[in-house]
Amino acid sequence: DAGVTQSPTHLIKTRGQQVTLRCSPKSGHDTVSWYQQALGQGPQFIFQYYEEEERQRGNFPDRFSGHQFPNYSSELNVNALLLGDSALYLCASSPDRTRNIQYFGAGTRLSVL
Amino acid sequence: AQRVTQPEKLLSVFKGAPVELKCNYSYSGSPELFWYVQYSRQRLQLLLRHISRESIKGFTADLNKGETSFHLKKPFAQEEDSAMYYCALKGTSYDKVIFGPGTSLSVIP
Repeated sequence: DAGVTQSPTHLIKTRGQQVTLRCSPKSGHDTVSWYQQALGQGPQFIFQYYEEEERQRGNFPDRFSGHQFPNYSSELNVNALLLGDSALYLCASSPDRTRNIQYFGAGTRLSVL
Repeated sequence: AQRVTQPEKLLSVFKGAPVELKCNYSYSGSPELFWYVQYSRQRLQLLLRHISRESIKGFTADLNKGETSFHLKKPFAQEEDSAMYYCALKGTSYDKVIFGPGTSLSVIP
């Protein structure tokens, strides 16, 4: 089992552009959460997907949206990129919504110029 | 509001010395508390959680509801303990996880 995999590893975009990040959960996991980790800070919860629906959402604007596919993989989309969106984006999967153990991917480093 | 604070951004201890990483939280209820660790060039991983009441790699953490704290302790630090440590909180089973800002632990040989 490869664990949680994220792609791409690094990404450079310019202000105003749109970006899509991808995540494949650990085998057998059906719940995916996304986090933004700015430099020197802890991960900040963006949203959680379960059964292809957004179930929980953190304090992020509507520019941040996501999707979960039938195979439980997930995408994070960010529109109208701002310089402040530059961060490490982490994906975490869980066996189910009530299980509180999360397994993290290595992250996607997004730089907005 | 749910919040996790870790007052020390950096903590340096000598090998063999005791180590304590502080974590305080605010939550109006009974949360579940966790410690996550990130070693150099590795991904974030769960170290321990309070409901398990277990010791992992010599680390323990006791939930003190009166002081709303969940400090991480180890009696004798090892060089391989050098890492970034994050305290995290989760309310109900369906709640989001709130992370603290993290403490970088450096164990000096």
